[in-house]
Amino acid sequence: NAGVMQNPRHLVRRRGQEARLRCSPMKGHSHVYWYRQLPEEGLKFMVYLQKENIIDESGMPKERFSAEFPKEGPSILRIQQVVRGDSAAYFCASSLETGTGIQYFGAGTRLSVL
Amino acid sequence: QKEVEQDPGPLSVPEGAIVSLNCTYSNSAFQYFMWYRQYSRKGPELLMYTYSSGNKEDGRFTAQVDKSSKYISLFIRDSQPSDSATYLCAISQGGSEKLVFGKGTKLTVNP
Repeated sequence: NAGVMQNPRHLVRRRGQEARLRCSPMKGHSHVYWYRQLPEEGLKFMVYLQKENIIDESGMPKERFSAEFPKEGPSILRIQQVVRGDSAAYFCASSLETGTGIQYFGAGTRLSVL
Repeated sequence: QKEVEQDPGPLSVPEGAIVSLNCTYSNSAFQYFMWYRQYSRKGPELLMYTYSSGNKEDGRFTAQVDKSSKYISLFIRDSQPSDSATYLCAISQGGSEKLVFGKGTKLTVNP
């Protein structure tokens, strides 16, 4: 039973480029969450999605960041015109049901902006 | 006041020691309490989950919640070098799927 799969594991972008991070939830899970971990900081919630719907994006920066979870395929976190401050580890989590707080995390994508 | 406070350590103990990790939180609406273990350059791994005050035990691990004091703890008995990792407390509120994390405590168990 494969866990939450994220790719790529490492991503290097130059300032101004776009970054696309992908996440496939655990089999049977329809709830996906994205978190960001900055150096020396804890994990910060970004967005919660269900298939074709954004449920809670209260942690997403207002500009340049977007997320989707299409009917088919993985969830995508997209960062346009990256800046050095976007360098961080981005983690995706998934859950089978809501209301419990139980989420399972992927290995993360480490984004480095040059 | 931060929603969740966790002493970042680092904490270094000899093998076999009992380890105590703690978090405090400010929002009494929080209902679900988790501990995650994160090895270096890896994703967080769910270790313990509880939703009520009291103790929950799983092998060498015991999670303790005191809602009246807004205080949660993780105890590790007979600690092993393989327990060396960063331990993150995470809390969520009923009606919200967002997890609020502490900064994590880095633990090293020395053989």
